[in-house]
Amino acid sequence: QKEVEQDPGPLSVPEGAIVSLNCTYSNSAFQYFMWYRQYSRKGPELLMYTYSSGNKEDGRFTAQVDKSSKYISLFIRDSQPSDSATYLCAMSFKAAGNKLTFGGGTRVLVKP
Amino acid sequence: DGGITQSPKYLFRKEGQNVTLSCEQNLNHDAMYWYRQDPGQGLRLIYYSQIVNDFQKGDIAEGYSVSREKKESFPLTVTSAQKNPTAFYLCASRSGRANTDTQYFGPGTRLTVL
Repeated sequence: QKEVEQDPGPLSVPEGAIVSLNCTYSNSAFQYFMWYRQYSRKGPELLMYTYSSGNKEDGRFTAQVDKSSKYISLFIRDSQPSDSATYLCAMSFKAAGNKLTFGGGTRVLVKP
Repeated sequence: DGGITQSPKYLFRKEGQNVTLSCEQNLNHDAMYWYRQDPGQGLRLIYYSQIVNDFQKGDIAEGYSVSREKKESFPLTVTSAQKNPTAFYLCASRSGRANTDTQYFGPGTRLTVL
């Protein structure tokens, strides 16, 4: 079993819909949680970073962390065709040298 | 213009050759990382370095080597011992400041073995 599980998709939604992405993890030591967006043949771009349970909002993006359930989510409101990309969750903890452990990524397609 | 640069963007290698991928950052970050990404998969850690002149193996270090002689530079050599080197290689850096555990990525190098 992988340390971080993420549904590979693809997830297809109409423009304007809410995109809901999630990851589950098995290692309770993880302290820091990130979401990256990766366009085809490009490097990942950091979208959200959080280190506590609860919600964090930034524009159209909301990141949610539930450490008791070992579950994190990313919500994208009012989705646009430009949001079509692969979304990667990642997490780390200090004792492991802050190395990131990634989920496999979810491919999202927002149709106009 | 601050950031992380990787070169070349595309690289072709014949079997049995060693090749070196460049990664440079002007963010004054302490830590640097190399990842490999295969189609439809997440990133796997090859090597990382938290300070100059020191580096550690990641999860898939076999067939790769690195050096960290300068803070700004962290080149990766893919040796002939790497059995399946065709992949997308990503370099990242992190500031190392407390509670700032975010890694920032370069644009990547796509390596193809002919």
